[in-house]
Amino acid sequence: NAGVTQTPKFQVLKTGQSMTLQCAQDMNHEYMSWYRQDPGMGLRLIHYSVGAGITDQGEVPNGYNVSRSTTEDFPLRLLSAAPSQTSVYFCASRTGPTLGEKLFFGSGTQLSVL
Amino acid sequence: EDKVVQSPLSLVVHEGDTVTLNCSYEVTNFRSLLWYKQEKKAPTFLFMLTSSGIEKKSGRLSSILDKKELFSILNITATQTGDSAVYLCAGIYNTDKLIFGTGTRLQVFP
Repeated sequence: NAGVTQTPKFQVLKTGQSMTLQCAQDMNHEYMSWYRQDPGMGLRLIHYSVGAGITDQGEVPNGYNVSRSTTEDFPLRLLSAAPSQTSVYFCASRTGPTLGEKLFFGSGTQLSVL
Repeated sequence: EDKVVQSPLSLVVHEGDTVTLNCSYEVTNFRSLLWYKQEKKAPTFLFMLTSSGIEKKSGRLSSILDKKELFSILNITATQTGDSAVYLCAGIYNTDKLIFGTGTRLQVFP
């Protein structure tokens, strides 16, 4: 009963470093997405995917890359980390653009960029 | 610009009180509105509202959507300390995108 699994839970980076946040779901959901949550800003959509091989930008895509080679996995890449990317990151998935489309969230990744 | 606005930003009550949280939206091609509860980490799903005027209920929590006035409310009766959390609402619009409000932080004291 894993649901949405995110790794790592915590990460500290230096400015300019790159890293990949991992997200996997075992519910055969077509739709997967990445959000960042900052104090007073709510959850903001970074990138999303409606199926394997298909990705699109959300509200705040700059500085992040994604790919979706399988239905299960949706990694988020930070190419050159900046202090402005310090945030809590959530991966989420759902069945698709139909009724009953509630999101299932991962447990989050706390990222600090120094 | 699509947006979801929640009010109040913060609320402090005593156990047993009833609270009403508000969510207004301006969302292109609106489809549904969702409510989530966020305690320490990941948000957990509460309700999805698609039709206007139909109340959804789960225990002491209930919610309703008004598509004419573009808002939703979340009611919590007989609050308990375990209800302390940030409550988020989100509008589903266009092709599969969700836009979240900034949340209402509820603190319930004994």
